[in-house]
Order: sequence, then structure tokens, then C-alpha cells
Amino acid sequence: GENVEQHPSTLSVQEGDSAVIKCTYSDSASNYFPWYKQELGKGPQLIIDIRSNVGEKKDQRIAVTLNKTAKHFSLHITETQPEDSAVYFCAASLGSNYQLIWGAGTKLIIKP
Amino acid sequence: GAVVSQHPSRVICKSGTSVKIECRSLDFQATTMFWYRQFPKQSLMLMATSNEGSKATYEQGVEKDKFLINHASLTLSTLTVTSAHPEDSSFYICSARGGAGYEQYFGPGTRLTVT
Repeated sequence: GENVEQHPSTLSVQEGDSAVIKCTYSDSASNYFPWYKQELGKGPQLIIDIRSNVGEKKDQRIAVTLNKTAKHFSLHITETQPEDSAVYFCAASLGSNYQLIWGAGTKLIIKP
Repeated sequence: GAVVSQHPSRVICKSGTSVKIECRSLDFQATTMFWYRQFPKQSLMLMATSNEGSKATYEQGVEKDKFLINHASLTLSTLTVTSAHPEDSSFYICSARGGAGYEQYFGPGTRLTVT
């Protein structure tokens, strides 16, 4: 079945610097790749997503890139701010119900 | 848009009792709803998938007689934890997907504590 690996597990960056989180997936049939932000005690919030027919997508300070050949996709956050501190999850979608296979999560810490 | 609510946000119950958690899509029709549980510092674990009007499909290892799921309308799904035990204590989160879209939108979660 599909497997999603996410790295790093913890990422600490200086406020204002960029952060990059990477994921790999195993099933080439996966066709949708969302990123979620989860703050402590809350449900995940969809922040950006990309479909398999697109290589890159950007929304203000957040961007996602997809390399289908290598089965890699990455989240890029520029000009990080304290409110970006959270746990970020990548996922890959598979199946008729578009079930999500989740990465293990990355705890992003923004240092003031 | 795409708001999903959950109720209650927190619940404490005694061992052996049942607890019902509601999940509602407030501004869209949820063709499919998903139920997850999440342990501290871990990723989300899919418990079951339900399509409106159909029986839920449970993931391997999830007891369907213990975790009863009802998706009777396009805006409401319920999860009932029957005969709860302390090991059922967890953070339960629902998500909803509408129409032909890929996107899943999550509720705020329900913290269940079984004493």
C-alpha cells in the first residue's frame, strides 16, 4: 500500500528565515497532495495542496513543489513568523474516496 | 467556506458508558466523511470512511461494533464509542469532503477521557 515519509521530524528556524519540509510517497497512482497545519489541541487546517498534473503552487508565503518522477513533494514557507509554529503534516491521496495517507508530521519551531 | 464543526469539544465519561460525537459540515454538503483518532505527538490514524446513506468502511483493526458511525445526511455524521474504556481515551477528529473535490476539511476535534 501507499506509504508517506516526512522529514524532518522537528525543524527550528530563525524568525524571518525560510523553512522546508519534505515528503516522499511510494504509490505512483497517488494524485493529490495536501499539506495541513495543526496547532496544539486543534484539528488540522488545510494550508495548501497540489494535484499531480501541476509541478508547483504558491499562495503568499507558502509554496508546494511536486516531483512526480522522484515521488517527492515539499512545503516551503518563506519569511517565517511566530504564528507559523505548529505541527505540519503532508499527505497523499489514493482510492475512490480520496483517503489520505499521512506523513508522521514535522514540528516547526520559529525562534524569535 | 468549508467549515466543519464537532460537538462536544471535550467529554469525560465513566468506563462502560457510551459517548456520541457529532460532526457537521456547516456550509457544504459532505459526500464523504472520515473519522480519525490521534494520540499525543502522533499522526492521524484513519478509523473509518463513510458515504452518506451507506454503511461505513472501517480500517483494519478498528472494531465496528465498538465505534458506531452513522452518516444519515449530507451534513451530519456521528461516532458513538460504545462501552468506553480508558484505552479509548484519545483525540477524535472528523473530516468532510464534498462533491467531486479532493479537499478534506477537518473539525476542531473532540478530546475523550474515559475514567
